Amino acid sequence: EAGVAQSPRYKIIEKRQSVAFWCNPISGHATLYWYQQILGQGPKLLIQFQNNGVVDDSQLPKDRFSAERLKGVDSTLKIQPAKLEDSAVYLCASSRGGVGEQYFGPGTRLTVT
Amino acid sequence: DQQVKQNSPSLSVQEGRISILNCDYTNSMFDYFLWYKKYPAEGPTFLISISSIKDKNEDGRFTVFLNKSAKHLSLHIVPSQPGDSAVYFCAASKSGTYKYIFGTGTRLKVLA
Repeated sequence: EAGVAQSPRYKIIEKRQSVAFWCNPISGHATLYWYQQILGQGPKLLIQFQNNGVVDDSQLPKDRFSAERLKGVDSTLKIQPAKLEDSAVYLCASSRGGVGEQYFGPGTRLTVT
Repeated sequence: DQQVKQNSPSLSVQEGRISILNCDYTNSMFDYFLWYKKYPAEGPTFLISISSIKDKNEDGRFTVFLNKSAKHLSLHIVPSQPGDSAVYFCAASKSGTYKYIFGTGTRLKVLA
């Protein structure tokens, strides 16, 4: 079974530029999550999808962040415009739904200069 | 408001000894808990979980203990091996939400 795929693995941009991350979850997993992990902290949930519907986006800074999961499969997370404090690792995870473990991708390390 | 806390940022243990990693939570509605292990440049990988109907769950060298009255859980690794050196995160969830709150992590170093 292929794992959660993310791209790119690394990205360096200047502040006020835009950036997009892509995630392809494990086949058949209904629930997809985007997390932000700032250095020295635990992953913080940004948005949670169930199929192609948003379940929770309460911690997503909607003035600059957006995410979509078209057709209930892969997903993109966009930041526009980026700020210095957006420097972090962005993790995508998926699960079958229900209580149980999430499977994480390798993450995208974003550096905003 | 940090609902899940791991108060020890780092821990060093000799190979073969027991590693004990601790996690505290504040929300009494949490009823499912997980531990993840993370190596550098990789995403977290699931290690072990426990439901609030249990107070202990064991899987090989890994055991998680849950003390609901103290809102505390711990992960025991026995015996510790150098390959266990990683950052360990605990996470908590409320039934039906499928949403997990993560702690800040504890970096474990197992010395050969």
